[in-house]
Amino acid sequence: KAGVTQTPRYLIKTRGQQVTLSCSPISGHRSVSWYQQTPGQGLQFLFEYFSETQRNKGNFPGRFSGRQFSNSRSEMNVSTLELGDSALYLCASSLVARGRETQYFGPGTRLLVL
Amino acid sequence: TQLLEQSPQFLSIQEGENLTVYCNSSSVFSSLQWYRQEPGEGPVLLVTVVTGGEVKKLKRLTFQFGDARKDSSLHITAAQPGDTGLYLCAGGSGGSNYKLTFGKGTLLTVNP
Repeated sequence: KAGVTQTPRYLIKTRGQQVTLSCSPISGHRSVSWYQQTPGQGLQFLFEYFSETQRNKGNFPGRFSGRQFSNSRSEMNVSTLELGDSALYLCASSLVARGRETQYFGPGTRLLVL
Repeated sequence: TQLLEQSPQFLSIQEGENLTVYCNSSSVFSSLQWYRQEPGEGPVLLVTVVTGGEVKKLKRLTFQFGDARKDSSLHITAAQPGDTGLYLCAGGSGGSNYKLTFGKGTLLTVNP
């Protein structure tokens, strides 16, 4: 069974631009969560989608948004990029939303904002 | 805001040594997970503990959940270079609004 895939793996943008990252969950998984990982703050939860609906949201500004499609693939968008948005963006999929089910992480997209 | 503090932040040891990393919080969690992350990869789940005082063993790794479900430890016996990586703990809470809160991790280097 294929794992979680994320595209692109690496991305360089400049301040003020916007970016869209993509995540394809494990087949059959309906929940997708997004995280931002930085050396200073560690792994921080962005949001979770289940059946095309946002079910949970972390403490990030409105510049960070996401969506989920009917095939469970998810995208996250960051508008008006800032230097501090440079990070590894991880998505994780699980069978169902809420509870103690295992989250399977993708390899991440490393975003560098210049 | 729930916080998980991991210590030490960095650990460099020789092959064959034992080590313990800690994960502490002032908050109670319904579950505690440990992950290992290798360079260029996402975190991989090692174990989930859910009961206060629970101890789980995974080969040379021993995980313990504190009695009050506020802290956890990971002990590695006879560390090997393959154990090198970033070890993350994550606390689960929120009931119907379940969310994982991650610690910042312990970066372990095992030298041959």
